[in-house]
Amino acid sequence: QLQLQESGPGLVKPSETLSLACTVSGGSINSSRYYWGWIRQPPGKGLEWIGSIFYRGSTYYNPSLKSRITISADTSKNQFSLKVSSVTAADTAIYYCARIDSRVMDVWGKGATITVSS
Amino acid sequence: DIQMTQSPSTLSASVGDRVTLTCRASQSISSWLAWYQQKPGKAPKLLIYKASSLESGVPSRFSGSGSGTEFTLTISSLQPDDFATYYCQQYDTYPWTFGQGTKVEIK
Repeated sequence: QLQLQESGPGLVKPSETLSLACTVSGGSINSSRYYWGWIRQPPGKGLEWIGSIFYRGSTYYNPSLKSRITISADTSKNQFSLKVSSVTAADTAIYYCARIDSRVMDVWGKGATITVSS
Repeated sequence: DIQMTQSPSTLSASVGDRVTLTCRASQSISSWLAWYQQKPGKAPKLLIYKASSLESGVPSRFSGSGSGTEFTLTISSLQPDDFATYYCQQYDTYPWTFGQGTKVEIK
């Protein structure tokens, strides 16, 4: 059974870089069928797609965040990662990772809560 | 970006009711629409994809319809487990975008 687990620092200071990892178990990210993605949800608000990656490295980013985000994959660890630079309070959110099958996010991690505060 | 608008924002209903949620896209997205259910403190769960295809394991009381710019999610007989927030999402064009959600609450 495929499972995804986000891991991250919990608290990040303004202007710093947020780094999150998503560890995939019960399946391989090294698959030609799936993309892997990140989605976030600010407290009490709706969902925002951040970006997606294919294991070979091709990426799609939300233009609203593109200048500040990097998504990468490490097939040796069966992980993919998200970096968000120059964070502000507006980046405070629950960050979810997900598997993407035919452009649909069909398996989600439980989410990692990230707070941006000094 | 394609804007997704859901209505109503909140829906009050009773167990056993038939409920219909609406999602409108700011431009045609063909049938590239998904519906997700989210309960408090949990990750979203995929219910419907390609506007009307039921995800494996999802109860048949859930159904989706529509194409172009107007879509609906129908729950034929509301169950206690169905009280949650529902989001639509288009995946026709990057950036993928979500509606603001419809909260289904107990009447």
